[in-house]
Amino acid sequence: LAKTTQPISMDSYEGQEVNITCSHNNIATNDYITWYQQFPSQGPRFIIQGYKTKVTNEVASLFIPADRKSSTLSLPRVSLSDTAVYYCLVANYGGATNKLIFGTGTLLAVQP
Amino acid sequence: KAGVTQTPRYLIKTRGQQVTLSCSPISGHRSVSWYQQTPGQGLQFLFEYFSETQRNKGNFPGRFSGRQFSNSRSEMNVSTLELGDSALYLCASSSGQTNTEAFFGQGTRLTVV
Repeated sequence: LAKTTQPISMDSYEGQEVNITCSHNNIATNDYITWYQQFPSQGPRFIIQGYKTKVTNEVASLFIPADRKSSTLSLPRVSLSDTAVYYCLVANYGGATNKLIFGTGTLLAVQP
Repeated sequence: KAGVTQTPRYLIKTRGQQVTLSCSPISGHRSVSWYQQTPGQGLQFLFEYFSETQRNKGNFPGRFSGRQFSNSRSEMNVSTLELGDSALYLCASSSGQTNTEAFFGQGTRLTVV
């Protein structure tokens, strides 16, 4: 499974747009990119998943360039409640497995 | 629909004891995965069960085991507990089909003293 690299931490203010970039240089053809959010003492929560170009849902957007060696999670107008750890995962779900490999994640701290 | 339910939420055990944790997946989900989260090692994959069969396993000693029942509920067992087993144990369920998201429970906080 491809290894991911993302910043350890980021700071932002309420109302700002936050972009968290993840590097996955060894991504394979069948790999998908998935982002999870985790609050302290809770299980991770799925945010968004994509294969290429741009994906948008009600909470975030995911930008994936053509070479797919990186991806950017975009959170519009963050609030204090968006303070959490964000994990970028790359996994091939084409095989018979739902094994998720988590990296260190990015701790996003949103200030008032 | 109901989410993933893990019981108990908190547990305190003594070194050398064994413990069994339970996970009830979302109705209709056939895949259950277990993860260990510690401050030092982060989130680590333990194993995955699909239709009562273990189909993937992480790098944990044999003291960590699991099983899945016909209703997809799963249990994990840790024998001969060590202090280092203190962690948040998370269970995730998914339909088991290709490229589907995993839904995590609240976890069981295990403290070994």
